[in-house]
Amino acid sequence: DTEVTQTPKHLVMGMTNKKSLKCEQHMGHRAMYWYKQKAKKPPELMFVYSYEKLSINESVPSRFSPECPNSSLLNLHLHALQPEDSALYLCASSQDLAGGINEQFFGPGTRLTVL
Amino acid sequence: GESVGLHLPTLSVQEGDNSIINCAYSNSASDYFIWYKQESGKGPQFIIDIRSNMDKRQGQRVTVLLNKTVKHLSLQIAATQPGDSAVYFCAENQSFQKLVFGTGTRLLVSP
Repeated sequence: DTEVTQTPKHLVMGMTNKKSLKCEQHMGHRAMYWYKQKAKKPPELMFVYSYEKLSINESVPSRFSPECPNSSLLNLHLHALQPEDSALYLCASSQDLAGGINEQFFGPGTRLTVL
Repeated sequence: GESVGLHLPTLSVQEGDNSIINCAYSNSASDYFIWYKQESGKGPQFIIDIRSNMDKRQGQRVTVLLNKTVKHLSLQIAATQPGDSAVYFCAENQSFQKLVFGTGTRLLVSP
């Protein structure tokens, strides 16, 4: 299995809702990533988990809360989002070899709309 | 902060032509670079990568060139096909686990 899966594909939520995005990989990768991509812009890194521990938080607002229950799963919990948070949320994974090249494999993304 | 890439241009080519997509980077300490292809409604797909100790790498129909002197990266696609139409991003490995993407280039291939 060489793919990263993400659910749901599309999500519409109100500013008072709580929702979660899910990501899964079965490639044995030990690093997992969340990116945010606005229309016609490049992906921007949000969080990195390495061996199930948060290793990078790119100063993301606390209304986004990541969680890594195990090495195959990555969640992004959403609460009290703003309309400007509407974007494509991409998950990626990599082998996380210290000193090695870490090619990142991306999922198809979740298209989030905040009303 | 440091940035990768140029303004988002669009490159229009005819099927069968060779395409060249360019990217500038600013972090001289970056040691690894990747080109990704992103089709509409999909996540970025790996095309080819290159380490900083190389200046050229070839794949199937694609070649990446790295010029560290001027901090420039290019992607060459031979015999471009309509299926190559997408947005292409260069990405720079600025530190372990941290990829920074360029602004992207839209490639339009007409039959």
